[in-house]
Amino acid sequence: GNSVTQMEGPVTLSEEAFLTINCTYTATGYPSLFWYVQYPGEGLQLLLKATKADDKGSNKGFEATYRKETTSFHLEKGSVQVSDSAVYFCALSGNRGSTLGRLYFGRGTQLTVWP
Amino acid sequence: EAGVAQSPRYKIIEKRQSVAFWCNPISGHATLYWYQQILGQGPKLLIQFQNNGVVDDSQLPKDRFSAERLKGVDSTLKIQPAKLEDSAVYLCASSEGQGTPSYEQYFGPGTRLTVT
Repeated sequence: GNSVTQMEGPVTLSEEAFLTINCTYTATGYPSLFWYVQYPGEGLQLLLKATKADDKGSNKGFEATYRKETTSFHLEKGSVQVSDSAVYFCALSGNRGSTLGRLYFGRGTQLTVWP
Repeated sequence: EAGVAQSPRYKIIEKRQSVAFWCNPISGHATLYWYQQILGQGPKLLIQFQNNGVVDDSQLPKDRFSAERLKGVDSTLKIQPAKLEDSAVYLCASSEGQGTPSYEQYFGPGTRLTVT
């Protein structure tokens, strides 16, 4: 079946520190992979995505590369800001039959950035 | 462009009571999703509509949960009777069509339900 495992939080960093949030997945076939972000009091927002192996998704300084050989999609940012404080969710979408379009989420990782 | 609207934002009820949540998707979006997010977990799909038809309700506890999408626009999710384990945030999302990643899902702010 389809599932996502991401590193547990919370993660606390100082401003300008390097960020990595690990995400691995199990899937049938070749899923698409996503990172969503949830800022306090707001709904989930798509941060970036990758649709095939070796694709790199990027947005707002965040990057993640679809690694088929390690079934991973780790989120990275070179220099975090206080405004990046949020909960980050790794997700995959099914690509066949009844799972087409269905999102499978990890547990989420709370990131807090201190000035 | 207005986003996905949900109401109420918060609801507290006692177990065995009933409750209903409302979702208004982005105008023109054919696909609507309801997710349940229990504290400390990621969202889990409950039901997916394409226009006013159900595409996937395999994860919906049909003995107590029901959902409808009137005229292919607004949707209502109902729980009757509620149990303590239903305490969660209920998220509504919509997309132009069916099939991620071609069609991005846009999420509403959610309704936080507490069952006492």
